[in-house]
Amino acid sequence: ETGVTQSPTHLIKTRGQQVTLRCSSQSGHNTVSWYQQALGQGPQFIFQYYREEENGRGNFPPRFSGLQFPNYSSELNVNALELDDSALYLCASSLDSGVGRAQYFGPGTRLLVL
Amino acid sequence: GQQVMQIPQYQHVQEGEDFTTYCNSSTTLSNIQWYKQRPGGHPVFLIQLVKSGEVKKQKRLTFQFGEAKKNSSLHITATQTTDVGTYFCAGQNAGGTSYGKLTFGQGTILTVHP
Repeated sequence: ETGVTQSPTHLIKTRGQQVTLRCSSQSGHNTVSWYQQALGQGPQFIFQYYREEENGRGNFPPRFSGLQFPNYSSELNVNALELDDSALYLCASSLDSGVGRAQYFGPGTRLLVL
Repeated sequence: GQQVMQIPQYQHVQEGEDFTTYCNSSTTLSNIQWYKQRPGGHPVFLIQLVKSGEVKKQKRLTFQFGEAKKNSSLHITATQTTDVGTYFCAGQNAGGTSYGKLTFGQGTILTVHP
């Protein structure tokens, strides 16, 4: 196991609600990336946090936002939930934000939006 | 934007047969990583390739990076039931606004019949 933890494991929300997902990075890692994985698809990069700052963002709207804390743990917030937001949300920690760093994924949070 | 295509989408083999999955990027990559995701699990880092034409081996797995750094392959010799899962390639560019962003292919689902 990677040592990356995520909570909660499962979540059910209704359209229009807001959700906060949490991630604790592996010891010694200062960078956290968030991914959305729809059923049958590869993970899609949402954004990356390095030293508490957003350090790169994928093609996701501003209602997807995040935070990183001094202990390098992170949160993903999604506002105004839509049905298409139903997916597995994965966080991955890496040693730092440099190119070519292996991503160590947590078990994910499975979000269902009704 | 950068796209990473992976083929085939599915592969069913008999135990003992070989398996290959191919990955193609629309842009030149700084590096490519390979991940394995077991059913119901999360992606697990397998390996990273950085150099043009690089070949790396891990027991029965052979990974190649193309000369142009736009394609890659994973070959498994004599598959076993423990090889079951989805294999993803993920490419990364250096610099620009995509710094640190990993772009995943859609994955190849491998099933192995005993």
